[in-house]
Parts: sequence; structure tokens; C-alpha cells
Amino acid sequence: GAVVSQHPSWVICKSGTSVKIECRSLDFQATTMFWYRQFPKQSLMLMATSNEGSKATYEQGVEKDKFLINHASLTLSTLTVTSAHPEDSSFYICSARGTGEKLFFGSGTQLSVL
Amino acid sequence: DAKTTQPTSMDCAEGRAANLPCNHSTISGNEYVYWYRQIHSQGPQYIIHGLKNNETNEMASLIITEDRKSSTLILPHATLRDTAVYYCIVRVEDAGNMLTFGGGTRLMVKP
Repeated sequence: GAVVSQHPSWVICKSGTSVKIECRSLDFQATTMFWYRQFPKQSLMLMATSNEGSKATYEQGVEKDKFLINHASLTLSTLTVTSAHPEDSSFYICSARGTGEKLFFGSGTQLSVL
Repeated sequence: DAKTTQPTSMDCAEGRAANLPCNHSTISGNEYVYWYRQIHSQGPQYIIHGLKNNETNEMASLIITEDRKSSTLILPHATLRDTAVYYCIVRVEDAGNMLTFGGGTRLMVKP
């Protein structure tokens, strides 16, 4: 099956710093990738839709200047959490659409902001 | 996307079949039923999907009622590694559509 690689798996950073998370489709091209956020014991919440070669589409309430998304190639999308604060601590997950209609997910990134 | 209703949690004995129900009474004719699961601290994993007919693959079986208002995911021989949150999602099979996750069912497989 299709593989989506997400890196890093976990990151700890100081408040005010920026963190970049990478999402790669390893064996297929993905014109669209999705970024989700998940707080403990809660469901996944869609943050934004990343489109190759164009601006991302953000869900209501998600700050586009804080969560920068770049989808420069058909196999790579990045999410940068800028000026991270403790309330940004969460589990971030990317997904990409493979062949057919199945969506494949990365393994997730646990972000802890001190 | 149509709303789904799932029990919050379920228990199942190891080796027995796990039957996870999902209600989707407002499903539209062109919406598919998808099942994903999320093992703790991992990304969701695709299990199975279907439109009208029952489906089976190496992981599970999907039984959809004739009126399509509900479905059941069946794990025929549950193992401890099947402990996870199972999400039932209905959506139109259309390019570019994301998945909207509800609360899911937390399945605990016990020895």
C-alpha cells in the first residue's frame, strides 16, 4: 500500500521557537495533502488542506500566519509552527490521497512546547 | 458529509469477533462508508470502505444494511493489537475530499 512518511516523530522545543514538520508521499504523487491536529483523548481536527503549487486552504479558526504550509512538490508538504507556545502542544498528523479514494496517514508528530 | 454515531467504547475478548456498529441515517446515495482505526500515538490506518454491498478484505468485513442507514465493521478474530479507536466516516468519493473524523469507538481487546 501507499506510504506516507512524517518526520520528526516527536519534538520538544522552547516557547517562541519555530518547528517544521515534514510529510512525504514515498511511492506516489500527492497533489493534495491534509494536516490534522489531535489533542489528548480527542478526535482528529482538520487544520488545512495543502495543494501542490498553490496556497493552502485553512479551516476556520486556524491561523495561517502561525501554521505555515508549503507544498512545493508532489511528494512533500511541510507544516511550520511559528513562535510556538505551550498551547500548540499537540499531535500533528498529515495525510495524502493515494490511488483511488483511500487516504493514507503519516505516523504523526508529537509536539511539546516548553 | 453525513454525520455518524458510534458507541464511545466497546470491549472484546481476544480471539472472538469484534462487531463495531455505526449509524449514518442521513447518508446520501453517493456517499461511501469508510472505516479507519488509530492505534495509540499513531496516524489513522485505512481498514475498508463500501457503498452498498458488503465488503471483505484481509483486515475486516463491512456489512451495510439494505437501507444504508447503518453498518457494522467486523474483525473476525480480534487480537490484542486490534485495540484502537475505530472511526466510521461517510463521504462522497470525490477527488480532493478530506476525511472528517467523529469521536470513534474505543475498542479494548482483552486477553
